[in-house]
Amino acid sequence: SQTIHQWPATLVQPVGSPLSLECTVEGTSNPNLYWYRQAAGRGLQLLFYSIGIDQISSEVPQNLSASRPQDRQFILSSKKLLLSDSGFYLCASTPQGRAEKLFFGSGTQLSVL
Amino acid sequence: AQSVTQPDIHITVSEGASLELRCNYSYGATPYLFWYVQSPGQGLQLLLKYFSGDTLVQGIKGFEAEFKRSQSSFNLRKPSVHWSDAAEYFCAVADSGSARQLTFGSGTQLTVLP
Repeated sequence: SQTIHQWPATLVQPVGSPLSLECTVEGTSNPNLYWYRQAAGRGLQLLFYSIGIDQISSEVPQNLSASRPQDRQFILSSKKLLLSDSGFYLCASTPQGRAEKLFFGSGTQLSVL
Repeated sequence: AQSVTQPDIHITVSEGASLELRCNYSYGATPYLFWYVQSPGQGLQLLLKYFSGDTLVQGIKGFEAEFKRSQSSFNLRKPSVHWSDAAEYFCAVADSGSARQLTFGSGTQLTVLP
């Protein structure tokens, strides 16, 4: 079965600083990978998804970017964080893009101060 | 566009009591429907799903949900709540089985009293 490693679990960053969140997946090959953001009191918003190495689609315009340098590695980045980037970031994986097999990592709580 | 409404932001029940969490969706055709549970500081775990067939679906941890097309609802139920069920619950809808198309509700926080 899939295992998703996300780190760090908690991060406090000043406004204007860079960001790099990493997600690695085990137990599956060529998964579809996703980055979600969860704001307090809200559901999950899909930020990026990837169907393969270097194949990234952005769902909403924003201050963030994503990269997939290896099959099972997905990175969320920013050059300069904004206050509005605060939130809980979740990485998710599923084989062949199937919703019923979507598996989530444990998330990163990002606070931008 | 599809949408999901969870009208209850926070629900409190006593341990052993029954539970029903409401979910209403907006979508023209028969949607793919999901319920997820999230413990504090954790990712989401799939409780159950409905794609077609029997409108009453069983999930893990003793949960069930019923799809009612006439009411555009997919309410989650459990006959007897345990303290370990305290968590946040999310309903989600997709117009196909694609994870990319998932739209999540804003969640219902469940508190369980001893």
